[in-house]
Amino acid sequence: DIQMTQSPSTLSASVGDRVTITCRASQSISSWLAWYQQKPGKAPKLLIYLASSLESGVPSRFSGSGSGTEFTLTISSLQPDDFATYYCQQYNSYSRTFGQGTKVEIK
Amino acid sequence: EVQLVQSGAEVKKPGESLKISCKGSGYSFTSYWIGWVRQMPGKGLEWMGIIYPGDSDTRYSPSFQGQVTISADKSISTAYLQWSSLKASDTAMYYCARHRDSGSTRPFDIWGQGTMVTVSS
Repeated sequence: DIQMTQSPSTLSASVGDRVTITCRASQSISSWLAWYQQKPGKAPKLLIYLASSLESGVPSRFSGSGSGTEFTLTISSLQPDDFATYYCQQYNSYSRTFGQGTKVEIK
Repeated sequence: EVQLVQSGAEVKKPGESLKISCKGSGYSFTSYWIGWVRQMPGKGLEWMGIIYPGDSDTRYSPSFQGQVTISADKSISTAYLQWSSLKASDTAMYYCARHRDSGSTRPFDIWGQGTMVTVSS
């Protein structure tokens, strides 16, 4: 299996901050990477696909970049609704894998 | 509206069997891969496997191969996740989710509401 490693595991930030989450793959996955947001008690929500394509309806303060083995999710100006856990997922290989998650907390 | 509606919460004993369901509506059920994702209490997301209801082509994570069975009944637009003998470690929330479009290399864009499975003696 391709291993996905996110950093940090937890991030404390304030409203208005610029936030960056990193996801590293154990081997190249080209651009076959997605980012999801999950709030407590809710199903995940797709934010970004193909590493940098914004899903319809997702605010433009979310952006993704990277290719190969290193990827980032950036929130340009953190809003109260953005406090949640974020997961990357590779869908390059036969068996897809998620990162372990990054919890974005209020500072 | 495109949606996936999952069956309700289950409480089972170790060794029992279980089949949970995920009904799709608002789209062509046979044209999109559907997958299952496990989330153990307080933990992250784990990709279990996917099925293409059009021809029942199924792919499993090595971690779940042989532990569960994924199936689909296209006549009623429903996918299933099945266990033959539950263990306490199967206690988790299980989500079904649909691929973003009709390809096998896609992320999940539509998710069910989740089915909580509790296995306890």
